[in-house]
Amino acid sequence: DAGITQSPRHKVTETGTPVTLRCHQTENHRYMYWYRQDPGHGLRLIHYSYGVKDTDKGEVSDGYSVSRSKTEDFLLTLESATSSQTSVYFCAISLGQGLSEAFFGQGTRLTVV
Amino acid sequence: AQSVSQHNHHVILSEAASLELGCNYSYGGTVNLFWYVQYPGQHLQLLLKYFSGDPLVKGIKGFEAEFIKSKFSFNLRKPSVQWSDTAEYFCAVKPPEGAGSYQLTFGKGTKLSVIP
Repeated sequence: DAGITQSPRHKVTETGTPVTLRCHQTENHRYMYWYRQDPGHGLRLIHYSYGVKDTDKGEVSDGYSVSRSKTEDFLLTLESATSSQTSVYFCAISLGQGLSEAFFGQGTRLTVV
Repeated sequence: AQSVSQHNHHVILSEAASLELGCNYSYGGTVNLFWYVQYPGQHLQLLLKYFSGDPLVKGIKGFEAEFIKSKFSFNLRKPSVQWSDTAEYFCAVKPPEGAGSYQLTFGKGTKLSVIP
C-alpha cells in the first residue's frame, strides 16, 4: 500500500464545531486530493492540491477549506461542522497529472451530531 | 457537465457467473480510465487502468476492461466471479490535459454481491 496515513480514523463532533482532518504521505507525490464518500453519490472531490500552497476547489467544496504547507501534509478543515458533512472522507495522492493513478488512504469516518 | 455513469447500482450473481459492469463517460479527447474496487470497510484499490494502446486491459484478480472510444465506454468484465469479489466497484476518469485535468472523477459505484 502507498504510504498514506489519515488521522483521525473516526471522529464524532457536534454541529458548529471546527474539525480538521489530516492526510500525511511518505511518497513525495505532488498531487493530493480530498474526497467524500456517501451512499448513492460515489466519491466526490472536495479540494485538491497540485503543490505546496497550491490548491483548488472540487465539486463539493462549500463548507470546507484546505491547506498544504508541506509536500507530505494536506489538511481538510470543516470550519463549522454540519450534519450534512457526516461522511467518510478519503485522501488520495497521485504522482502526476498525466499517466498516473491515485492511491487512497484508509478513510476517516466523521459523524456530526 | 462532464460525468461518469455507472448504469448498475447493485448486481447480484452466483459464484462462477460472468460479470460485466458498465461505465460510460462524457469527456471528449484523450482520457485516462480506471476501475477501483472497495471491499467492505476498506479503502479504494486500483483494479486496472487504461492510458493508451491495446484497448483490452487486464488487471488484478482476473478482471479485465475494454475501452471502446466510439461508445465512450470502459466496461469491466470477469469470466467467473467468486464470493471474494463481493465489493463495490468504481469507474473513474481523468480528463484530457488542460483545465480540470488534475481531477479524477468517479462514477457512483456498483455494488456486487456474489452468492456462494
